[in-house]
Amino acid sequence: GESVGLHLPTLSVQEGDNSIINCAYSNSASDYFIWYKQESGKGPQFIIDIRSNMDKRQGQRVTVLLNKTVKHLSLQIAATQPGDSAVYFCAENIEEDTGRRALTFGSGTRLQVQP
Amino acid sequence: KAGVTQTPRYLIKTRGQQVTLSCSPISGHRSVSWYQQTPGQGLQFLFEYFSETQRNKGNFPGRFSGRQFSNSRSEMNVSTLELGDSALYLCASSLTGTPYNEQFFGPGTRLTVL
Repeated sequence: GESVGLHLPTLSVQEGDNSIINCAYSNSASDYFIWYKQESGKGPQFIIDIRSNMDKRQGQRVTVLLNKTVKHLSLQIAATQPGDSAVYFCAENIEEDTGRRALTFGSGTRLQVQP
Repeated sequence: KAGVTQTPRYLIKTRGQQVTLSCSPISGHRSVSWYQQTPGQGLQFLFEYFSETQRNKGNFPGRFSGRQFSNSRSEMNVSTLELGDSALYLCASSLTGTPYNEQFFGPGTRLTVL
């Protein structure tokens, strides 16, 4: 499959462990954040989102934490499985001065799950 | 329900040529966004179309253009190709394109410019 990024930071975990992927965002005015998972040869897939009026949101095996004070977002994956191996991107959505809204993606983190 | 489809999946062109990529959104979705993904720059927003109108545009030169048809299918065109245009081009569709609508991505078109 295609290489998403040649020099991505990599997190390597053992199957069954919990994974924590971090993301620093740039704009304090961002009000909506999304985590995406991208497997080799595929487009990004939505995992979980969170609005800025929340600091935590839970899904199935995943939790997103938002710390607006330090502009930090994290994705926690419980009981990591080999199928979780992928590149993970955080994205922030902001309304710019022009009124334009668009997603700005982070550079991504490669998660490798060792069996 | 069928997902977002993109054609072709792979394309090889030479500098100076032009290329047209196609995206068929999920049935019922009216918003289509295009992104460029490269190892160096990551995922970058190109433009968004809604009801045949370009609603948002990223910071790309005018060589990059797009359009949307009445059935919500979208095409993007890159003219006068440069080596740096080699990338994975991703299309994403959503119901209305409002900020809190989930975007569904297609598998992408891998463009190589020689």
